[in-house]
Amino acid sequence: SAVISQKPSRDICQRGTSLTIQCQVDSQVTMMFWYRQQPGQSLTLIATANQGSEATYESGFVIDKFPISRPNLTFSTLTVSNMSPEDSSIYLCSVRPGQGDGTQYFGPGTRLTVL
Amino acid sequence: QKEVEQNSGPLSVPEGAIASLNCTYSDRGSQSFFWYRQYSGKSPELIMFIYSNGDKEDGRFTAQLNKASQYVSLLIRDSQPSDSATYLCAAYSGYSTLTFGKGTMLLVSP
Repeated sequence: SAVISQKPSRDICQRGTSLTIQCQVDSQVTMMFWYRQQPGQSLTLIATANQGSEATYESGFVIDKFPISRPNLTFSTLTVSNMSPEDSSIYLCSVRPGQGDGTQYFGPGTRLTVL
Repeated sequence: QKEVEQNSGPLSVPEGAIASLNCTYSDRGSQSFFWYRQYSGKSPELIMFIYSNGDKEDGRFTAQLNKASQYVSLLIRDSQPSDSATYLCAAYSGYSTLTFGKGTMLLVSP
């Protein structure tokens, strides 16, 4: 498995501001993903963070709103830009260590509240 | 469009009983399947994965896969109140992402 940490664990932000969430893994991983989970809802994939190139975004998510970086095989950031109360959610980093069976592990999550 | 379907529940079982959680998937190309447990306010935790038809056991947990019926299940024996959580089923088709179901809430009463 992989040990994943996220910072911050939670934050309360004002409308119109931006927040950058960091995800650090204790070993090199093949793939890193960012998900959003709103209260009582299932997981929604935001994007796949690609090492050294632009992230691959899912339908409904755009780079201007959710810029993502992945400078190496153990670290990624997700920025939530120009926040509104609708962005209040839990943001989860997920990693896939290998290339075989699709196994993914999740970080502890960042709970974001936008006022 | 690839889909994974789960009954949202809640599934209520008494302590000590067997809890049976079920999942169906639409993509016949799916290669492996995962069960995650998610406690309220926490992130998903991988419990088991299975990729061959039949049963796979790990402690009190048994995953079952029937590719012909496109059906995956998770059995929890001797259910405990601490097993109360939402269980997410996910399928992997060899593309970049897992396809997750919406989860089944399990409630184990003492």
